[in-house]
Amino acid sequence: QKEVEQDPGPLSVPEGAIVSLNCTYSNSAFQYFMWYRQYSRKGPELLMYTYSSGNKEDGRFTAQVDKSSKYISLFIRDSQPSDSATYLCAMGSNSGYALNFGKGTSLLVTP
Amino acid sequence: GAVVSQHPSRVICKSGTSVKIECRSLDFQATTMFWYRQFPKKSLMLMATSNEGSKATYEQGVEKDKFLINHASLTLSTLTVTSAHPEDSSFYICSAGGLALQETQYFGPGTRLLVL
Repeated sequence: QKEVEQDPGPLSVPEGAIVSLNCTYSNSAFQYFMWYRQYSRKGPELLMYTYSSGNKEDGRFTAQVDKSSKYISLFIRDSQPSDSATYLCAMGSNSGYALNFGKGTSLLVTP
Repeated sequence: GAVVSQHPSRVICKSGTSVKIECRSLDFQATTMFWYRQFPKKSLMLMATSNEGSKATYEQGVEKDKFLINHASLTLSTLTVTSAHPEDSSFYICSAGGLALQETQYFGPGTRLLVL
């Protein structure tokens, strides 16, 4: 079993929809969680960073962590065509060590 | 946010030649840098982890003599693909982390390598 599971999609939604992206993990040692957005042929861009269970909001993005269920989510409100990208979840247990990435979910927001 | 640059952004080389890719942290000191490889529509594959001033730690299956990594300063790491072959063609991405960033890593824009 992979440590981080993420549905690769693709996920297609109409503009304005609420998007829910999810990852599950098996390693209870993971302490911090990130969401990255990657456009085609570009490096991943950090979107959200969370350390504790609960919600963290930044503009149209909300990151949610449930450590008891080993489940994290990223919600995108009022989705835009420019949100079309691959979204990678990542998590880690110790500073200075490599993150564990999900495979990424491909999102397409249609006008 | 922290900025990481990579150079070159794209390189085409002949089979058998060596190619050096630079990764720089522009506004922070990167105590640790990571090198990834990514095939089209695939996730990131960690190749190696490098800490400033010490030898890189390579992931299983990654040839350390083929992919030479040097992390000589807190702002620069280099990846050299030696004696490149067409199967080395890929998208190479570095990321950097530092004490000031806590556990976060910031990625460079990537380097697309094509070996003919």
